[in-house]
Amino acid sequence: GPKVLQIPSHQIIDMGQMVTLNCDPVSNHLYFYWYKQILGQQMEFLVNFYNGKVMEKSKLFKDQFSVERPDGSYFTLKIQPTALEDSAVYFCASSLGGARDTQYFGPGTRLLVL
Amino acid sequence: SQWGEENLQALSIQEGEDVTMNCSYKTYTTVVHWYRQDSGRGPALIILIRSNEREKRSGRLRATLDTSSQSSSLSITAAQCEDTAVYFCATDVDYNQGKLIFGQGTKLSIKP
Repeated sequence: GPKVLQIPSHQIIDMGQMVTLNCDPVSNHLYFYWYKQILGQQMEFLVNFYNGKVMEKSKLFKDQFSVERPDGSYFTLKIQPTALEDSAVYFCASSLGGARDTQYFGPGTRLLVL
Repeated sequence: SQWGEENLQALSIQEGEDVTMNCSYKTYTTVVHWYRQDSGRGPALIILIRSNEREKRSGRLRATLDTSSQSSSLSITAAQCEDTAVYFCATDVDYNQGKLIFGQGTKLSIKP
């Protein structure tokens, strides 16, 4: 089936540094998402993105977070500066349509902030 | 929270048995997504059931949706070891433009 790729698979970073998580969504998809999952807990929505704009963001999407997809390249999540509580697995997803359409998830980036 | 009663946190059954996982939700939705997540991987959609379907089957999987009671279930018939995974239900309301709200999930273990 359609595949979403995420780079890197793991990232260890010192608190206060910047990190960029990269997502290569399914090629013809138009909607993009980031979710956060802390070990053993449920997946939580961060943000969705369509037509170059953020459509909705959750309370977890702090001011230090930003997303972009310049020129149809990677869909990125940038955290600057990072905090200890940002340690989690971040999943990217994409879908062709928005609501009620199938979202395809990447394998996740495991972020550890020290 | 979108979710009412807690989903089961962990469930262990013998290979060959049937199992049903339930979830209930608070906010009206017209679609429930069921995902499975294998260890170290991202969630993968296994069944998407819409409000006009009430029941949907895919191989040994069967999902139901009751919008009047705002609940959904996922059943696996004759479970196999490869069914071992975490199963999540997620709702998706029209005005949220694809924002999925996940339940707690059920960690299902199938013993040989």
